[in-house]
This record gives sequence, structure tokens and C-alpha cells, in this order.
Amino acid sequence: SAVISQKPSRDICQRGTSLTIQCQVDSQVTMMFWYRQQPGQSLTLIATANQGSEATYESGFVIDKFPISRPNLTFSTLTVSNMSPEDSSIYLCSVWGGNTEAFFGQGTRLTVV
Amino acid sequence: AQSVTQPDIHITVSEGASLELRCNYSYGATPYLFWYVQSPGQGLQLLLKYFSGDTLVQGIKGFEAEFKRSQSSFNLRKPSVHWSDAAEYFCAVGATAAGNKLTFGGGTRVLVKP
Repeated sequence: SAVISQKPSRDICQRGTSLTIQCQVDSQVTMMFWYRQQPGQSLTLIATANQGSEATYESGFVIDKFPISRPNLTFSTLTVSNMSPEDSSIYLCSVWGGNTEAFFGQGTRLTVV
Repeated sequence: AQSVTQPDIHITVSEGASLELRCNYSYGATPYLFWYVQSPGQGLQLLLKYFSGDTLVQGIKGFEAEFKRSQSSFNLRKPSVHWSDAAEYFCAVGATAAGNKLTFGGGTRVLVKP
């Protein structure tokens, strides 16, 4: 299994500012995934983060808006840049444990005002 | 590209009644299939998964799901629901070829009447 800690758990931010979300895993993993869950919606993959390489972004998501760092095998950050109210969502970090199950952090609930 | 459809956005069921949530997927090879539950204000919890083998899989909390390749379906069932089963349920498909990323369905919100 994998235990994921996300920080912060929630935040209220002013439009135009940026927020960096941290994801810490209790074991070394090759890939870490960042998802977004907009209010009342399902989860959408933002990007896949491999240690030592650039993150791979899904269609509709760009690095300038959602820069990701992956400095080692247990940690990653997602920054939501130049925020607008449309960025209000839950952001979740995910990893696979034992190649058989995807584990998720508790999420970061972001409100942009 | 893989995709998942959950046709029912909301389902209301009486406590003690049976529950079935539908999930249809699109994927070119044998998929990895999952059902997750998200309770209000909570994270995602895995209910069950299918990778291969027996097409009827048992999960936690009394849930089961059946993989039907011919129908591209992976429906979730519970014989008798409890009030605590009120939550949002997500079906997801993944494939090792896609780097273990998951594609989620739109979700089904389950309401349980006393």
C-alpha cells in the first residue's frame, strides 16, 4: 500500500495569485499523478510526473498554468498559477502501489475568490 | 483512447434494498477496471478492482462487480444497502500501456432513503 500526504488540505486564494500543493508518499514510486476534480464533477488527469524528467501533461493542461516538480521518488509539487475562480477544485495526488492499485491523497480543496 | 461512461448521475435507493451501478468502458485491450467511492469531504477509497481471472470480483463493504467483456461493462452491485453507502461512486479504467493513469467515469451519486 501507499500512504499519501497532501498539503495544504484546503485554501482560499485571491485571483491572480499562485498556490503550490505538496504531495509526499511513504514509499518510492516511479510515477506520480495529479488529478483535478471540479465541483460536482469527476476526476480529470492533469499530468504524470516522473522523477528526473519533465511532467507529461494531458490535453487541455499546460506547464505554464500547472508547473510540476518531482525532485525525488517520494515527493512532488503542483502549482496552480495565476488563479481564477475557474480553478476552484479539489486537486489530488495519486500513486500506484504494487502495480495493482492506485492510491489517492485526501486532496487539496482550493477556492479562488 | 480509453473512456468510461456511468449512465446514471443520481440513484436513490431505500435502505435494505439492492443497488446496481452501471459502468461501460471503451478500451482496445483488456482493461484494468476499478470502482472507487468518495464520501462527502473524504478522499477516494478503492472498493474493488479487476485485472484478470474470475469475472465476478468481491470488494469491501459487501460490494461486488462483474466484468462482461461482450458488453464492455463492469457494473457494481450490493444486495442490501446501508445508510452509510450514500456517497459518490466512480468507475475507472486503466492500462499499464498508458502508464497506469486512470480515466474516470462521471460518477454516480447514491442517496439512501430510510
